Amino acid sequence: QKEVEQDPGPLSVPEGAIVSLNCTYSNSAFQYFMWYRQYSRKGPELLMYTYSSGNKEDGRFTAQVDKSSKYISLFIRDSQPSDSATYLCAPVIQGAQKLVFGQGTRLTINP
Amino acid sequence: GAVVSQHPSRVICKSGTSVKIECRSLDFQATTMFWYRQFPKQSLMLMATSNEGSKATYEQGVEKDKFLINHASLTLSTLTVTSAHPEDSSFYICSARGGSLSPLHFGNGTRLTVT
Repeated sequence: QKEVEQDPGPLSVPEGAIVSLNCTYSNSAFQYFMWYRQYSRKGPELLMYTYSSGNKEDGRFTAQVDKSSKYISLFIRDSQPSDSATYLCAPVIQGAQKLVFGQGTRLTINP
Repeated sequence: GAVVSQHPSRVICKSGTSVKIECRSLDFQATTMFWYRQFPKQSLMLMATSNEGSKATYEQGVEKDKFLINHASLTLSTLTVTSAHPEDSSFYICSARGGSLSPLHFGNGTRLTVT
């Protein structure tokens, strides 16, 4: 079993829709969680990171963590064509050097 | 926010030559830098972890003599692809973090094409 599982998609939704991107993980030692967005031919950029279970909101983005289920989600409200990208989840063990990335979900928002 | 600068963004070289890629943290000191490789439509593959002033730790299957990593200062790491071959053509991305609780910030990647 992979440490982090993420549906690679592709996921295609109409503009304005609410998007839900999800990851599951197997290692209960993961303590904080990051979401990255990667546009084609660019490096990933940090979108959000959270340390605890629950929700964290930043504009149109909400990161949700359920440590009991080992399940993390990123919600995008009022999705825009500019949100079209690959989204990667990355849970982290405190003190660990390396990050473990999910496979990434390719998202397309259709105008 | 934290900025990681990576150069060059694109390089084309001939088979057998060496190519150096630079990764700089512009507004923070990076105790640890990472080098990734990414093939089209695939996720990031960690190649090696470098800590300032010490030897890099390479992932299994990555040839350390082929992919030379130097992390000479807290703001600069370099990856040199030696004796490049067409199969080394890929997208190489560096990342850096200031500490174990700090998020990881990425450069914009280098597209290497070996002809």
